[in-house]
Amino acid sequence: QVQLEESGPGLVTPSQTLSLTCSVSGASISTSGYYWGWIRQRPGKGPEWIGFMYHTGSFYYSPSLRSRAAILLDTPRNRLSLRLTSLTAADTAIYYCARALYTGGTAYFDMWGLGTLVTVSS
Amino acid sequence: SYVLSQTPSVSVAPGATAKISCVGNDIGSRSVHWYQQKTGQAPMLVIFYDNGRPSGVSERLSGSVYGNTATLTITRVEAGDEADYFCQVWDRNGDLGVFGTGTKVTVL
Repeated sequence: QVQLEESGPGLVTPSQTLSLTCSVSGASISTSGYYWGWIRQRPGKGPEWIGFMYHTGSFYYSPSLRSRAAILLDTPRNRLSLRLTSLTAADTAIYYCARALYTGGTAYFDMWGLGTLVTVSS
Repeated sequence: SYVLSQTPSVSVAPGATAKISCVGNDIGSRSVHWYQQKTGQAPMLVIFYDNGRPSGVSERLSGSVYGNTATLTITRVEAGDEADYFCQVWDRNGDLGVFGTGTKVTVL
């Protein structure tokens, strides 16, 4: 059974950098065919895709977050991370890590973590 | 950027059929995926590639695409179907994932 579990600070000060980690069990992030990434959901809004990465290094980011976001895959520890810089209140959201299938010109997310709430406030 | 629009809310009686629409320009040329999100939970994939159903998802849920509209249909609606539903596509032009605005399904 594949499980994803996010961890990180619940509260971050504006202008600071957010660092989140997602531990994966029941599957290897080096498995062929799967990308691993992050999606967030602001209060009362729909999900917003942030980006994902393949174990060979291929990656895709949302254009709106590309300049501030960085996703890393730690294959020995079977986990992934997200760094998001220059935070503002607009970054307050639940952050989910997710597994994606990217094939045939489309991508979808078949496994999600429970999510972690990040509040940006002074 | 590519936009997917959904009706904000749908109310349906138990046992009836709910239809949730997702409108996007030329959506028929893209694969559409659907997620169910119950209160306080993470989204869960319920339909992929327009009409595929992951293992464990009820046969009462089905997807279709026609013209500029994708539709998620829930037959014989049950109280447990009450949730937010989001459509999603991959925008090949911008290489990014796009989610719809979401539809809240209320079972009367």
